[in-house]
Parts: sequence; structure tokens; C-alpha cells
Amino acid sequence: DARVTQTPRDKVTEMGQEVTMRCQPILGHNTVFWYRQTMMQGLELLAYFRNRAPLDDSGMPKDRFSAEMPDATLATLKIQPSEPRDSAVYFCASGLTGLETQYFGPGTRLLVL
Amino acid sequence: GNSVTQMEGPVTLSEEAFLTINCTYTATGYPSLFWYVQYPGEGLQLLLKATKADDKGSNKGFEATYRKETTSFHLEKGSVQVSDSAVYFCALTIRDDKIIFGKGTRLHILP
Repeated sequence: DARVTQTPRDKVTEMGQEVTMRCQPILGHNTVFWYRQTMMQGLELLAYFRNRAPLDDSGMPKDRFSAEMPDATLATLKIQPSEPRDSAVYFCASGLTGLETQYFGPGTRLLVL
Repeated sequence: GNSVTQMEGPVTLSEEAFLTINCTYTATGYPSLFWYVQYPGEGLQLLLKATKADDKGSNKGFEATYRKETTSFHLEKGSVQVSDSAVYFCALTIRDDKIIFGKGTRLHILP
């Protein structure tokens, strides 16, 4: 049963610290998405990759957030420095161009104190 | 631009009640339409989809029909269960990798 995996599942950190979240997309998928979910803003698209190339990161605060795909099996989302307003659940999703469906990971719950 | 509007929640129903969650869309072109569901503590998962006008998507007793004339894709279920308690997202895509999601509707089913 192929699934998207995310690590860590939970992260508590202090303001100013660096946070790195990792995602392993489903093998063979060529698109990867990073979302942030909060009660106030709902689900927001932060960045999206196709074939490891970033296509859209307009939803991401550029000064502190960065997203990369070092290889086809790993996507990372980094926050440096972290702030309390970054507290949220961060989801990774993967898909295959043409199939339209996205498959979501279980999320990383981030709390910045 | 392309957008999805769905009814605000929370929606609270008793077990075995009939469910409707309204969803309308605005799109340039011919979108594919989806309902995703998010159970507590989990990521979103696809519930059903429809790719062209008059198609009906169905899964787990849920149904939604793609209505081009009313630009709607309302989610229905004839008899809800406590286990259906979740957040439901209406969404669309237009021949693109990106999906545009609605804000979600929280559903509570009381035993």
C-alpha cells in the first residue's frame, strides 16, 4: 500500500530555531506539493514541484521558508528562523501528471514557542 | 480566476440523517471536480471525483453529480454514520497539477 510519508510527525521548537520537515512521495509520482493548514487560514498551498523542479512557490514566505527536492524520493521544507505564527500542520502530497488526484501524507504538526 | 465555494460548517446531524454539503465553483475551462475528506489527525484523502458534466462520483455511500448548468458539485449521503464525522473539502483542477480547494466543511454526526 503506497503512501506518502512525512517526518517528523510532531515538532516543538523555540522561536528562532531552524525547522526541517521531510517528505517521501509515493514511488513513481512526479509532482510534490507542500501545504500548511491552520484553523484561521485553512489549507494553503506553499510550494509545488514537478519532476523535482519548483514550479510555484508564491504561497511561501521567501525570507524564511525554503523548499527543495534533493532527489526524486525526498522533498524538504525548511523554516529559518521559525516564528510562533508558523505553528500549523504541514502536509506533503504527491501525484502524477495527468492523473489529477493528490495523495496526502499524515502531516507534521509544528509548534513554535 | 478559478475558485471553489462550499457551505460553512460546522454541520451537525444525527446518525442516519440525510446529508447535503453544497459546493459551487468558478472556472475558466472544463474542470475536474473532487471531494476530499480529512479524518481527525490525518491528511486529506480522495473521496470521489467527476471529470465531466453529468458524471456522478460515488464512494462509501457518498455521491456528487457534476452540474455544469449550475456550476455545482454537491455532496450527498442518504444515511450518515458517526464514523463520517470529518472535514470535507470540495476541489477542482483544470488540466493542471494544482488543485484548488474550498475552505472545508466540518461534519459532526451525533449517535
